[in-house]
Amino acid sequence: SQQGEEDPQALSIQEGENATMNCSYKTSINNLQWYRQNSGRGLVHLILIRSNEREKHSGRLRVTLDTSKKSSSLLITASRAADTASYFCATEETSGSRLTFGEGTQLTVNP
Amino acid sequence: ETGVTQSPTHLIKTRGQQVTLRCSSQSGHNTVSWYQQALGQGPQFIFQYYREEENGRGNFPPRFSGLQFPNYSSELNVNALELDDSALYLCASSPQLGTTGELFFGEGSRLTVL
Repeated sequence: SQQGEEDPQALSIQEGENATMNCSYKTSINNLQWYRQNSGRGLVHLILIRSNEREKHSGRLRVTLDTSKKSSSLLITASRAADTASYFCATEETSGSRLTFGEGTQLTVNP
Repeated sequence: ETGVTQSPTHLIKTRGQQVTLRCSSQSGHNTVSWYQQALGQGPQFIFQYYREEENGRGNFPPRFSGLQFPNYSSELNVNALELDDSALYLCASSPQLGTTGELFFGEGSRLTVL
């Protein structure tokens, strides 16, 4: 079963614009992570935010976490065509070390 | 440092057959997890292995089984293949059990069941 729900399912923007993706989850978590997947390839870790953190930055990425609303957002600033990919949030629940992934957001950045 | 490698990259089987997928974990990593990703979906956790023992299993039937070897490489076996088993199978390693950190994924094995 999927823990997270992401929206939008698909997002199309122009190069240079910002992209925001949202993730909601259901249970208590140790951390929430964001991964990127190019078509049919493996997943690449982008950023991890722990349950006691509210915001984290890494390069052009900004992640927020609201544990009271059980939601997170990923912001990609100044997007590039190379950012075109699927983005997944994944939660590590307090009950174990497995990751539970959402359905993903397909981001298309048009040159 | 060698990353996670999986083999084969693509394979085609027919219903009822059996398949074995292989994974070499990243150097220094002793925990391996397997995920199934159907087309257009997020990855779903199958099971995790730590020091050759299964450590957690998702909602998959017993015909999905696995092994981890002393060198921490791993196999995923699926018996009595069904059409719905068609998916990308992803292996991921992590440095140690219970680490609250990132997983390192291989490129996956694309299984098609006809």
